[in-house]
Amino acid sequence: DGGITQSPKYLFRKEGQNVTLSCEQNLNHDAMYWYRQDPGQGLRLIYYSQIVNDFQKGDIAEGYSVSREKKESFPLTVTSAQKNPTAFYLCASRPTQGRIEPQHFGDGTRLSIL
Amino acid sequence: DQQVKQNSPSLSVQEGRISILNCDYTNSMFDYFLWYKKYPAEGPTFLISISSIKDKNEDGRFTVFLNKSAKHLSLHIVPSQPGDSAVYFCAASASYGGSQGNLIFGKGTKLSVKP
Repeated sequence: DGGITQSPKYLFRKEGQNVTLSCEQNLNHDAMYWYRQDPGQGLRLIYYSQIVNDFQKGDIAEGYSVSREKKESFPLTVTSAQKNPTAFYLCASRPTQGRIEPQHFGDGTRLSIL
Repeated sequence: DQQVKQNSPSLSVQEGRISILNCDYTNSMFDYFLWYKKYPAEGPTFLISISSIKDKNEDGRFTVFLNKSAKHLSLHIVPSQPGDSAVYFCAASASYGGSQGNLIFGKGTKLSVKP
């Protein structure tokens, strides 16, 4: 089945540690996105990528980094510079050819601080 | 400043009745609007969308209405079912410009449908 796979589902970070969240899609979508959701809040855009080897900062990119070496993969690293990393992280993708299509989401990774 | 606003954090409706969820936006460049449904600890699921060239779009029990002059859209669910209980997010995007296709989300409305 085609879809977006995020792993792990739960992740714990120690102080001063970098952690990487995985996002893989087999939908052949060009664009991929990372969002953060906090309780009672909407989704806020961290980074996005419209094409391989290119990515752009979203609204809250500080303390995060990404790479896009392959079309199907868009990992997110939460660095030690991110002082409030506890949140639910969502990855999404969509095709960019033709008419605008909705973004489709993975099931998320919940990151907590030990 | 919020560009997409869902002013009702929660809504409770009786099974079989109509649920109406509202959303307002401020950016005139938005021309594509979407509703997503989200259960706890899961990713949002796309529900229905509408382009600014239309004022209504239907898909089964779900209808989205767009009032461009008021910068307002609403999602109607008829009839409401207990399985519709979830958080509903409104989202908007512009089909042109550097952030083409990027979505701006509201904070969500938690819908509870009581049997």
